[in-house]
Amino acid sequence: ETGVTQTPRHLVMGMTNKKSLKCEQHLGHNAMYWYKQSAKKPLELMFVYSLEERVENNSVPSRFSPECPNSSHLFLHLHTLQPEDSALYLCASSRQTGGWQNTEAFFGQGTRLTVV
Amino acid sequence: TQLLEQSPQFLSIQEGENLTVYCNSSSVFSSLQWYRQEPGEGPVLLVTVVTGGEVKKLKRLTFQFGDARKDSSLHITAAQPGDTGLYLCAGANAGGTSYGKLTFGQGTILTVHP
Repeated sequence: ETGVTQTPRHLVMGMTNKKSLKCEQHLGHNAMYWYKQSAKKPLELMFVYSLEERVENNSVPSRFSPECPNSSHLFLHLHTLQPEDSALYLCASSRQTGGWQNTEAFFGQGTRLTVV
Repeated sequence: TQLLEQSPQFLSIQEGENLTVYCNSSSVFSSLQWYRQEPGEGPVLLVTVVTGGEVKKLKRLTFQFGDARKDSSLHITAAQPGDTGLYLCAGANAGGTSYGKLTFGQGTILTVHP
């Protein structure tokens, strides 16, 4: 069983659609993240949740709305996206130990999003 | 803003050759991680280096953390086609507000030809 599972794997949506990405982790971690991976750019951190509380919103447009109902699940709600939002969206989880020393992130397989 | 510069961006070599990928920053990180990512998949953690000057080996892969904890390298000996993929370095900081956030390099696309 994969430690971090993302669904769907692929998503094509129009600019007026509303969709949601889902992430579930089975590792007992207490922090979850959304990263965006675009061509020719480093992975960009979007959101961080620690103990189900959003602790960072990395200047992400409001058309992306995260939700973390519990420590195992993370959602990214999408609405009125733009074509430039097309990318691979990656969910990750980690375990906080002693002030975030040597934190290691475990990633899901990602959702390949295409906005048309 | 912390940045990680990774080089080279592309590497195409023949099976059996050796290679080194570099990851450099002007900032100090509490730890540095290396990931490997295959097309259509998420990054998979290979190793974490923590101590300045630390060297870790994973079969044919050797990872080194610079003495000042600002740079790292990945050396692959006798590369094989199965090593093909995107290699990413990522830096992390400790502390109460770091929350395990990672700063990634641009990645190195490695292709090993049979």
